[in-house]
Amino acid sequence: DAGVIQSPRHEVTEMGQEVTLRCKPISGHDYLFWYRQTMMRGLELLIYFNNNVPIDDSGMPEDRFSAKMPNASFSTLKIQPSEPRDSAVYFCASSFYRGYDEQFFGPGTRLTVL
Amino acid sequence: AQKVTQAQTEISVVEKEDVTLDCVYETRDTTYYLFWYKQPPSGELVFLIRRNSFDEQNEISGRYSWNFQKSTSSFNFTITASQVVDSAVYFCALSEGSNTGKLIFGQGTTLQVKP
Repeated sequence: DAGVIQSPRHEVTEMGQEVTLRCKPISGHDYLFWYRQTMMRGLELLIYFNNNVPIDDSGMPEDRFSAKMPNASFSTLKIQPSEPRDSAVYFCASSFYRGYDEQFFGPGTRLTVL
Repeated sequence: AQKVTQAQTEISVVEKEDVTLDCVYETRDTTYYLFWYKQPPSGELVFLIRRNSFDEQNEISGRYSWNFQKSTSSFNFTITASQVVDSAVYFCALSEGSNTGKLIFGQGTTLQVKP
C-alpha cells in the first residue's frame, strides 16, 4: 500500500487567499484525522472522521477552517481566508476500524502564509 | 482533563549510551490507550507502540523498551545502545476515551545521538 498521501507537500500563499489541502487515506481505513503542528502549540487534532462522517471538529480553530470527506478515499482541509498564523505543517492520518488503532500519518503539508 | 507531559525538551547522548524518555499522563478514564510516535528529520510520524490501561507488562522490541506504571501515571521509553539513526523527536500520546481515536500528544522530546 502507498500509505497516506497528502498534497501538496509545500504550499506558499499570500494572506487572504484560499488554501486547500488534500489527503488520501490508506484503503480500508475507517478513520481519518487532520492535525496541525507548530512550534508553539505542538501537535493538535483539528478534526476527525469515521466512515466519512465528521465526529469531532472541536479542534478547528475558526470558521475559516473547514474539512470534508466526500468519500472513503479523499478528504480536504480548506482555509479561507488564510492568515500568517495558519503557517504550520498539516498532517493527515488514518486508522482501521477501532478508534484506538494505531494511526498512520502522511508526510504532511508545510503551509506558509505570507 | 486529559494531559500528557514530556518534561524533557531535548536530550543529547553519545552513540551506544542508553537513554530514557519520560512521559507522564493525566486522565480520569479507566480505559485508555498510550502511544509513542517517532518523528525523524524527514518529518513523518511513525508509530512505535500502543499500550492499553489494563496491561502493565513492560514491553521490549529490539533496542526499545517501554515501562508502563499506572501508580505513577507514567509510560517511559528507553533506547538501549542508542544509534545516530535514533535521532528524532519522540511523542507520547494518550487516547481520549477508550474508542474515540482522539489522541492528545505531549510536546515531544528531541533526541540527538552524536557519533
